[in-house]
Amino acid sequence: ELKVEQNPLFLSMQEGKNYTIYCNYSTTSDRLYWYRQDPGKSLESLFVLLSNGAVKQEGRLMASLDTKARLSTLHITAAVHDLSATYFCAVDNSNSGYALNFGKGTSLLVTP
Amino acid sequence: EAGVAQSPRYKIIEKRQSVAFWCNPISGHATLYWYQQILGQGPKLLIQFQNNGVVDDSQLPKDRFSAERLKGVDSTLKIQPAKLEDSAVYLCASSLVLAGAEQYFGPGTRLTVT
Repeated sequence: ELKVEQNPLFLSMQEGKNYTIYCNYSTTSDRLYWYRQDPGKSLESLFVLLSNGAVKQEGRLMASLDTKARLSTLHITAAVHDLSATYFCAVDNSNSGYALNFGKGTSLLVTP
Repeated sequence: EAGVAQSPRYKIIEKRQSVAFWCNPISGHATLYWYQQILGQGPKLLIQFQNNGVVDDSQLPKDRFSAERLKGVDSTLKIQPAKLEDSAVYLCASSLVLAGAEQYFGPGTRLTVT
């Protein structure tokens, strides 16, 4: 069974600060995804990471993938209130029919 | 391009009643997924279709849940009879092909079982 663990599960940070969310997964995966979910809303795709060493950046968010360590990170730079949301990482592989296996999510609150 | 459509958006039922959810994927998307998201958790796959065939339904509680995608386009998910623990958001997602294509999620149906 493909397991995905995120930490921290809850994160309260001040505006302007930097922080990193970690995502570990248990077995070989084909792709790693990061999603954002606002309260009462559906999932918005942020990044898809395909290979070892992949790094993608969008605004204040940067995601990276280390397939050897089975670890992905989502780094937040100079946080702003608009980044407050729940962030999920998910992985897929051919053994699971490419369905997504999600972590529990990291609930981020950015305060003034 | 229209996104994944789901209805209803909200549903409140009593336990032991039945309920059905509908999903219309993005036009041309062959693969359709139903996920269950319980409050405070990540989504969990219930069933996956490729066109009108089932790829994976290993996590679908088949004694009460059923799903179909008869014409390989839209899909319905049914719960009969509902239990309190079925309270969750039911998300439908679609992708262009089975392998390696990004999944696009619908707005979800929030089910409350009382």
